[in-house]
Amino acid sequence: AQSVTQPDIHITVSEGASLELRCNYSYGATPYLFWYVQSPGQGLQLLLKYFSGDTLVQGIKGFEAEFKRSQSSFNLRKPSVHWSDAAEYFCAVGAYKRGSQGNLIFGKGTKLSVKP
Amino acid sequence: DGGITQSPKYLFRKEGQNVTLSCEQNLNHDAMYWYRQDPGQGLRLIYYSQIVNDFQKGDIAEGYSVSREKKESFPLTVTSAQKNPTAFYLCASSMDGQVLNSPLHFGNGTRLTVT
Repeated sequence: AQSVTQPDIHITVSEGASLELRCNYSYGATPYLFWYVQSPGQGLQLLLKYFSGDTLVQGIKGFEAEFKRSQSSFNLRKPSVHWSDAAEYFCAVGAYKRGSQGNLIFGKGTKLSVKP
Repeated sequence: DGGITQSPKYLFRKEGQNVTLSCEQNLNHDAMYWYRQDPGQGLRLIYYSQIVNDFQKGDIAEGYSVSREKKESFPLTVTSAQKNPTAFYLCASSMDGQVLNSPLHFGNGTRLTVT
């Protein structure tokens, strides 16, 4: 069965520093991979997604993620963090189920705090 | 502006009462979804609907019910059979039922507290 692991529950970085949030997945075939961001008390917003092709994916708000099949990872990166990036980040893997449209499996999230 | 509206933002109920959470979208999306979010947990799918008058159970449907009588509306009823109803509930929609190809758009959620 597919699963997603986000090893870091909470990360704190200084404003202007670089950021990498880790995501590992378990899935037998080539997965569909997503990163979503959630501000406190809000819904989720899609940052980026990977289906196929170039393994480095650019997203909104200056984020990017790299798909590494050999490591079963899809880590999210940003070169310089802004205070407004403080939020919770969710990695998700999608897979087709026979007879349905597929489903997304979400990780438990990584909460990002930004120090001034 | 198009989007998904969930109401109310906060909801309080006594144990043993059924409660209905509202979700309305004006994105003209075919598919709608209900997720439950608990602290430190990811999102878990309760129910989804690909078209009007059709819906399917997700991973944690027990104690919940839904209806899809109109394309723009997908209300969720939390029944007294749901053992741990206190949670943050998120409604989402996507252009079609191919959730892997058409991204999910989320509402701002309803926080339900049952005492």
